[in-house]
Order: sequence, then C-alpha cells, then structure tokens
Amino acid sequence: QSVLTQPPSVSEAPRQRVTISCSGSSSNIGNNAVNWYQQLPGKAPKLLIYYDDLLPSGVSDRFSGSKSGTSASLAISGLQSEDEADYYCAAWDDRLNGHVFGGGTKLTVL
Amino acid sequence: QVQLQESGPGLVKPSETLSLTCAVSGYSISSGYYWGWIRQPPGKGLEWIGSIYHSGSTYYNPSLKSRVTISVDTSKNQFSLKLSSVTAADTAVYYCARDVQGRHDYWGQGTLVTVSS
Repeated sequence: QSVLTQPPSVSEAPRQRVTISCSGSSSNIGNNAVNWYQQLPGKAPKLLIYYDDLLPSGVSDRFSGSKSGTSASLAISGLQSEDEADYYCAAWDDRLNGHVFGGGTKLTVL
Repeated sequence: QVQLQESGPGLVKPSETLSLTCAVSGYSISSGYYWGWIRQPPGKGLEWIGSIYHSGSTYYNPSLKSRVTISVDTSKNQFSLKLSSVTAADTAVYYCARDVQGRHDYWGQGTLVTVSS
C-alpha cells in the first residue's frame, strides 16, 4: 500500500492528451513539492517533473505537472508510442520524514 | 555529466547482509547534495530506502531503519548500502541516485539482487 495513490493504468490514443493523478495528504503533497518520474521498460526511472510543475532540461514540453491541495497531476499531450512507460509521483513526507512514492501508473498508447 | 553505477553481489542468502556500492563520476560527492538508495521488487513500484549527505548525516525509511546502514567514502567518491537479515521480500532491483532538494535527478542503471539459498 503506497502512501501516494495513483491509478494502476491509463490508456489513450496517439496524439491525444492523458492525465495521471496522484493523491496524498497534508504531510506530503499538501506541504511539499511533487516530482514525477518516467520509467521506460527495463530502464531506470528518469526525472520528468520537479517542484510540482518544472521540467528538467531536455524533457519535452508535452509533459506538464500541476498540483492542488493534496493532489497532483501529470499531463501528457500529443501522445506518442514512445511515451508508453510507468509513471511515478513522489514527494517528501513530513510525518514519515522520508521520500514517498506512488504505486505507479502504466500508460498504454493504443 | 553525472553518472552513478551500482555494484555488488547479485545473489544473497536469507538472513545474511546485502552490500552494494554506488560509484559516482562527473560530480564530487564532497561538493554537496544527498545520495540515496531506492529499490524496486520485480513487477512492483519504487521504495525509497535512505539517503546520506557527504558529511555522513543519514535518514532512512522508517520501515527499514532497523536493518539499513548507508555510508559514504568521499575519497573514493562512492557511497554504500548494507541491509541486514534479508529475506525473499528484499529481492529487488536496487538503484542509487542523487537526491537534490527532494528530487532524485540522476540515477544508476540499477542492479538486481536476489535473496535465495
């Protein structure tokens, strides 16, 4: 049981837009920055979004992040087949005094 | 470019201690930031294990704290993980990563550790 809650899977057609939700609490998302990671099959996770909505250098602007209260979302526009991956949200948790991750969401591009 | 590389035994017997090292290149650990370990059981999600600052200050996942020790060797620009009393539940891909202000921005490729007799 992960501290942050994500849907196990989402799917959408190419060139469409999809959002992935991440639900937490006041001790994590509600009070700290949210980060998102993309994990391609068989690869290490890659930082995709940090500080809720900032893109690291080199990350496509088709990816965007947002946060409201104790929930966050990752949006991917103009879906491409290479976006098929697992996506994880993460945040610092003040109560646990550590990093917490969501359970991950598998994105399928139909 | 910052690069991290995990190394260590791929097979550990139950009740023994898992030991891994992460070699860092392209950045001096002594320059700052935290350095952490994250694991991923086969087919499952990510779990943060713990992190260490170059000074040696550490913080651990409460659920693993009693069994985890993370240390740093700035002279070799590497940091290490020890997890004691392992069971099959500790079988996972173990990643090391740089921990910058709450985000893990550079990751190693990961190393699979299997706990089995």
